[in-house]
Amino acid sequence: NAGVTQTPKFRILKIGQSMTLQCAQDMNHNYMYWYRQDPGMGLKLIYYSVGAGITDKGEVPNGYNVSRSTTEDFPLRLELAAPSQTSVYFCASSYVPGSSYEQYFGPGTRLTVT
Amino acid sequence: DAKTTQPNSMESNEEEPVHLPCNHSTISGTDYIHWYRQLPSQGPEYVIHGLTSNVNNRMASLAIAEDRKSSTLILHRATLRDAAVYYCILRPSGTYKYIFGTGTRLKVLA
Repeated sequence: NAGVTQTPKFRILKIGQSMTLQCAQDMNHNYMYWYRQDPGMGLKLIYYSVGAGITDKGEVPNGYNVSRSTTEDFPLRLELAAPSQTSVYFCASSYVPGSSYEQYFGPGTRLTVT
Repeated sequence: DAKTTQPNSMESNEEEPVHLPCNHSTISGTDYIHWYRQLPSQGPEYVIHGLTSNVNNRMASLAIAEDRKSSTLILHRATLRDAAVYYCILRPSGTYKYIFGTGTRLKVLA
């Protein structure tokens, strides 16, 4: 199993540009999540999904959109990039209900907006 | 959401035990205690979790105070590979969202 994969690994955007961060998992997990991590800080939840077709906002959803058309994929869309969105983005997945609610994280996408 | 308090940083010598504390004085009776760690330039990884009783797994042990207002993650023999940021997280029963704090940065000295 590849686990949780994210593309791209790095990206530089200009202010106002748009992009989609890709996330895929091959563990047949029903729950998926997007987090951002600013330097020296913990992770903050942006959006999450409890299954295909169902998404909901986390702590910091402004400026982002998500969709979940399949169990495997959960892309994150930035419509009008702003410098405040410079961060490392992590995707995660979990199986609920499970014995531990363990979340499996991808390697992250480092995004710089200039 | 109940919050956790952890020291910003700790140091340990290699091959010695490490006790990482976490205070959660506002924990409710149904909150689970989860620990994750984040190695440099990687996503977080699960370490251990518990509700009331102490827990052991291949990575670590979790000691939970009797009043559940604090817990301690125990690494029995620290290695250089254990240098990471360790997050203590409370998860209410039936929910699936974590609230990450800033964690404890563990430095392991050779």
